[in-house]
Amino acid sequence: SQTIHQWPATLVQPVGSPLSLECTVEGTSNPNLYWYRQAAGRGLQLLFYSVGIGQISSEVPQNLSASRPQDRQFILSSKKLLLSDSGFYLCAYEGADTQYFGPGTRLTVL
Amino acid sequence: AQSVTQPDIHITVSEGASLELRCNYSYGATPYLFWYVQSPGQGLQLLLKYFSGDTLVQGIKGFEAEFKRSQSSFNLRKPSVHWSDAAEYFCAVAPSSGSARQLTFGSGTQLTVLP
Repeated sequence: SQTIHQWPATLVQPVGSPLSLECTVEGTSNPNLYWYRQAAGRGLQLLFYSVGIGQISSEVPQNLSASRPQDRQFILSSKKLLLSDSGFYLCAYEGADTQYFGPGTRLTVL
Repeated sequence: AQSVTQPDIHITVSEGASLELRCNYSYGATPYLFWYVQSPGQGLQLLLKYFSGDTLVQGIKGFEAEFKRSQSSFNLRKPSVHWSDAAEYFCAVAPSSGSARQLTFGSGTQLTVLP
């Protein structure tokens, strides 16, 4: 069976610091992978998706970036965090035309 | 552009009562439809989905949903709510074709269950 992991679970970072959030999937090969952000009052927003290694599509302009260095690894990064980057970050993989979500990372930027 | 509307921000029901959460969508063609549930601080769990066929779909935890094409709706129902159903519920749509299926979510409905 497939499982999806996100690391870390919570993170508190100062404004201007870098960011790296990791998502890994087990039990499936070359899945489509997705990053979403859930911010208070703004619902769930798709940030990036990837259909394969090195293939990244961005849905919204921002100071975040994503990379997929391995088949089942998806990384969300920033060089300099903004206050507005605070939120709950969710990674998802796609199987049988359905997205399955990880446990999320709570990011607080101070 | 596609959109999903969940008109009820917050619903309160008593334990054992029936539940219906509304979802309407705007889409060029019939999309794939989903309901997810989120407990505080947790990720989203899939309750059920509709791709085609029988318009009444059964999901986990005793939930069901009915697709009504004429009304562009996909309402979620449960005949008898349990206290553990208290959570936030999200309706979502995705294109039925393409190499990646980006989900568009509604704003969510927060469910409170009274003892």
